[in-house]
Amino acid sequence: EAGVAQSPRYKIIEKRQSVAFWCNPISGHATLYWYQQILGQGPKLLIQFQNNGVVDDSQLPKDRFSAERLKGVDSTLKIQPAKLEDSAVYLCASSSGLAGGAGELFFGEGSRLTVL
Amino acid sequence: AQSVAQPEDQVNVAEGNPLTVKCTYSVSGNPYLFWYVQYPNRGLQFLLKYITGDNLVKGSYGFEAEFNKSQTSFHLKKPSALVSDSALYFCAVRDRDTGRRALTFGSGTRLQVQP
Repeated sequence: EAGVAQSPRYKIIEKRQSVAFWCNPISGHATLYWYQQILGQGPKLLIQFQNNGVVDDSQLPKDRFSAERLKGVDSTLKIQPAKLEDSAVYLCASSSGLAGGAGELFFGEGSRLTVL
Repeated sequence: AQSVAQPEDQVNVAEGNPLTVKCTYSVSGNPYLFWYVQYPNRGLQFLLKYITGDNLVKGSYGFEAEFNKSQTSFHLKKPSALVSDSALYFCAVRDRDTGRRALTFGSGTRLQVQP
């Protein structure tokens, strides 16, 4: 079974530029998550989708971050304009169960963003 | 609100010795509890979870964890550590009684196993 795919693995941009990350979850997984992991910290939830609807985006900085999951499968996370403090690893995860259930999350390898 | 505390930034243990990585949690209702491991430049890998029932949960690679409701703890344990267990470990919680919350992760504990 293929895992969660993310791209690009690494991205370096100047502040105020824009960047987009792509995620393809495990086939059939209804719930998709984007987490931000700053160096030395645990992952922090940015947004949670169930199918193509948003379940929780309360911690997403909506003035600069946006995410979509148009057909309930792939998802894109965009940052525009980027700030220095956005330097982090962006982790995508999926789970087979519905949001809030007991199912574990399966993570991709992450997209490491460096903002200069 | 739901939260997790991992009180130790790093745990050092000699190979062959038992290891414990500590985790305490806070939820309004009842918890689902998880442990994940992260190797350098990799995503998080699931180790084990507690949903309900037996307080001792067994998982991958010989790891186990004990749920203690009175102490709100879910410590990760292994009887005999391997050098290859050296990695970053994260505890996570979800309150199963308050809607469709995602997992909340702790800050992580780095496990260093010396040969």
